Amino acid sequence: DAKTTQPPSMDCAEGRAANLPCNHSTISGNEYVYWYRQIHSQGPQYIIHGLKNNETNEMASLIITEDRKSSTLILPHATLRDTAVYYCIARREGAQKLVFGQGTRLTINP
Amino acid sequence: NAGVMQNPRHLVRRRGQEARLRCSPMKGHSHVYWYRQLPEEGLKFMVYLQKENIIDESGMPKERFSAEFPKEGPSILRIQQVVRGDSAAYFCASSPESQGATGELFFGEGSRLTVL
Repeated sequence: DAKTTQPPSMDCAEGRAANLPCNHSTISGNEYVYWYRQIHSQGPQYIIHGLKNNETNEMASLIITEDRKSSTLILPHATLRDTAVYYCIARREGAQKLVFGQGTRLTINP
Repeated sequence: NAGVMQNPRHLVRRRGQEARLRCSPMKGHSHVYWYRQLPEEGLKFMVYLQKENIIDESGMPKERFSAEFPKEGPSILRIQQVVRGDSAAYFCASSPESQGATGELFFGEGSRLTVL
């Protein structure tokens, strides 16, 4: 699976959109981009995933560049409960396990 | 539909004792994964099992650690002769036989092992 690179930490004001970047310049055509988050001391939680098209669900939006070398997770109206470590993972189609990197520690400030 | 259940949530052992961590996957899930998270570090994959079979144990330490997922009952992660460095949170995840719509892994709340 391709390596992903994320900033170690970010801050965002409550109520604003949080934009979390991820670089995956070596991603191959059959690798999906997955996002998970881990709120302090809890188990990781799935957020969203995509291959080439932008995706949106009730939690977030995922914007993938046309060349697929990077992506951005957008939390449209961040709340204090969105404070967590966010992991961007490239995962080959059909692969079962997830390989976590260091993630981005997002802090939402009041 | 209950989520992934792990127990115990907290376990304290003295050096040299054995630790057994249990994981009951979500109903209908036949794949189980174990991850370890050392304090202030990321999640490290340990092992992936299907019923009665170990599929990928590339992240398991070579000694003292073992995992099983019997035909009946929960998956067990067993750590023999624990040392202080085994103190960590151990997370279990499960997934259905086919990856379904999202290919999502569903995680439990973890078991926190403290070795004195």
